[in-house]
Amino acid sequence: DTEVTQTPKHLVMGMTNKKSLKCEQHMGHRAMYWYKQKAKKPPELMFVYSYEKLSINESVPSRFSPECPNSSLLNLHLHALQPEDSALYLCASSPFSGSNEQYFGPGTRLTVT
Amino acid sequence: AQSVAQPEDQVNVAEGNPLTVKCTYSVSGNPYLFWYVQYPNRGLQFLLKYITGDNLVKGSYGFEAEFNKSQTSFHLKKPSALVSDSALYFCAVRDMGHVSGTYKYIFGTGTRLKVLA
Repeated sequence: DTEVTQTPKHLVMGMTNKKSLKCEQHMGHRAMYWYKQKAKKPPELMFVYSYEKLSINESVPSRFSPECPNSSLLNLHLHALQPEDSALYLCASSPFSGSNEQYFGPGTRLTVT
Repeated sequence: AQSVAQPEDQVNVAEGNPLTVKCTYSVSGNPYLFWYVQYPNRGLQFLLKYITGDNLVKGSYGFEAEFNKSQTSFHLKKPSALVSDSALYFCAVRDMGHVSGTYKYIFGTGTRLKVLA
């Protein structure tokens, strides 16, 4: 299985809602990543987990809260988002942090109303 | 910090013609360079990488890239373009994180490739 899956595919939420994005991989990868991508822009790194521990937080606002419950699963908890947070949220994994390529999921298209 | 630049927002090429998508890099030390492709509403797909060794790197779907140290470039190429190659292409470089032993990837701004039938 060489796939990274993300659920849901689409999410619409109000600014007072709490929701979560889920990412899963079964390739035995020990590094997992969250990126935010605006239309026609490059992905911007948000968080990196290495061996289930948060290793990089790119100064992301606290309304985004990552969680890595186990080596296969990565969540992104969302609370009190702003309309400007609407974007494609991409999850990726790699065998380990710094390894040579990343495997990306299809993304969750988030709209904040 | 490491960085990559993609000077062209869009490249148009006729089907069957060779294509080149440009990328230049700025790194301290040895560069770890990558190309990814993104189709509409999809995640990124890895195409190829340069870590060390031969300057001509072959990747997926007939793509290749040439690492040129003197010009600090890593251009993506394909001898004969297909309409299905039309997509958004990102060059990327590996960078160190703030904490020793951590790494992250910095992406260029992307180049939209349009292959015309």
